[in-house]
Amino acid sequence: NAGVMQNPRHLVRRRGQEARLRCSPMKGHSHVYWYRQLPEEGLKFMVYLQKENIIDESGMPKERFSAEFPKEGPSILRIQQVVRGDSAAYFCASSPAPRATYEQYFGPGTRLTVT
Amino acid sequence: DAKTTQPTSMDCAEGRAANLPCNHSTISGNEYVYWYRQIHSQGPQYIIHGLKNNETNEMASLIITEDRKSSTLILPHATLRDTAVYYCIARLNTGGFKTIFGAGTRLFVKA
Repeated sequence: NAGVMQNPRHLVRRRGQEARLRCSPMKGHSHVYWYRQLPEEGLKFMVYLQKENIIDESGMPKERFSAEFPKEGPSILRIQQVVRGDSAAYFCASSPAPRATYEQYFGPGTRLTVT
Repeated sequence: DAKTTQPTSMDCAEGRAANLPCNHSTISGNEYVYWYRQIHSQGPQYIIHGLKNNETNEMASLIITEDRKSSTLILPHATLRDTAVYYCIARLNTGGFKTIFGAGTRLFVKA
């Protein structure tokens, strides 16, 4: 059973470009969470999605950031017009449909570097 | 989610038990205690969770005090590969609730 997959693992973008980060949840998981970890800091929640719905985006910056989880395909975290402060590790986690005693399984992360 | 407090860092000798404390004095009756760890820039890894009874799995044991205001994660025989940041989290166990990570405890296992 493959785990959560993220790609690319490393992404370099110049200031002003767009970054697209992909997350394929574990098989059978319909909930996806995105977290950001700035250098030497803890993980910060960004957004929680179910298939075709954004459930909680309270951690998303108001501008330039968007996320989707279409009916088919991976979840996408999109950052438009990247700035150096966006350089961070972005982790995706997935979980099965809500039920008692579920867990969030994390992917290996995408490390974004903005030059 | 209830706030948790953990020591910033701890050392442990290889082969000895590592005991990582966590205070969660404001935990509510239906919040569970979860432990995750993050090994050097990898994705966080789930370790164990519990409500009020002590729990044990192949990775660790979780001891929760009777008043549920604190808990201890025990790695029975720490190895160098257990060097990581360990996060204690108090949260609900149902629904798609986000996980709020604090600063965690940086555990150094030394040979």
